[in-house]
Amino acid sequence: EAGVAQSPRYKIIEKRQSVAFWCNPISGHATLYWYQQILGQGPKLLIQFQNNGVVDDSQLPKDRFSAERLKGVDSTLKIQPAKLEDSAVYLCASSRNLAANEQFFGPGTRLTVL
Amino acid sequence: QKEVEQDPGPLSVPEGAIVSLNCTYSNSAFQYFMWYRQYSRKGPELLMYTYSSGNKEDGRFTAQVDKSSKYISLFIRDSQPSDSATYLCAMSRYGGATNKLIFGTGTLLAVQP
Repeated sequence: EAGVAQSPRYKIIEKRQSVAFWCNPISGHATLYWYQQILGQGPKLLIQFQNNGVVDDSQLPKDRFSAERLKGVDSTLKIQPAKLEDSAVYLCASSRNLAANEQFFGPGTRLTVL
Repeated sequence: QKEVEQDPGPLSVPEGAIVSLNCTYSNSAFQYFMWYRQYSRKGPELLMYTYSSGNKEDGRFTAQVDKSSKYISLFIRDSQPSDSATYLCAMSRYGGATNKLIFGTGTLLAVQP
């Protein structure tokens, strides 16, 4: 079974630029999560999808961050415009459904904002 | 005060040692407790999952939860260099639906051969 795929693995941008990250969850997994992991901290949930609907986006900075999962499979997270404090690893995770206890994480995208 | 506190380490032990990793938490509503292992440049992977108080053993790993003290532990017996990683505790109020995980900061473990 293929794991959670993310791209790109690394991205360096200037502040105020835009950036987008892509995630393809494990096949058949209905629930998808985006986390932000700042160096030296644990992952923090940004947004959670169930199929193509948003379950929780309470910690997503909506003035600059957006995410979509239009067809209920892969997902895109966008930052526009980026700030220095957005430098972090962005992790995508998926689980079979809302009743599943285990989340499977992708390798993450390391973002550096200069 | 953070909801979940975890000593960031680093913790360095010789091969074969017993390792004890710990987290404390403040929210008494947490019922589901997990330990994730994260290798450098990789995503976290689930090691242990426990509901409520008690012990759970899986091979060389034992997870303990003491809800009365709001304290959880992960023990690694006969530690190996391949156990060198960051260990993250995580917890949630609910299992499954609305299973929003709150993570600790992670403890960096180095097992010296």
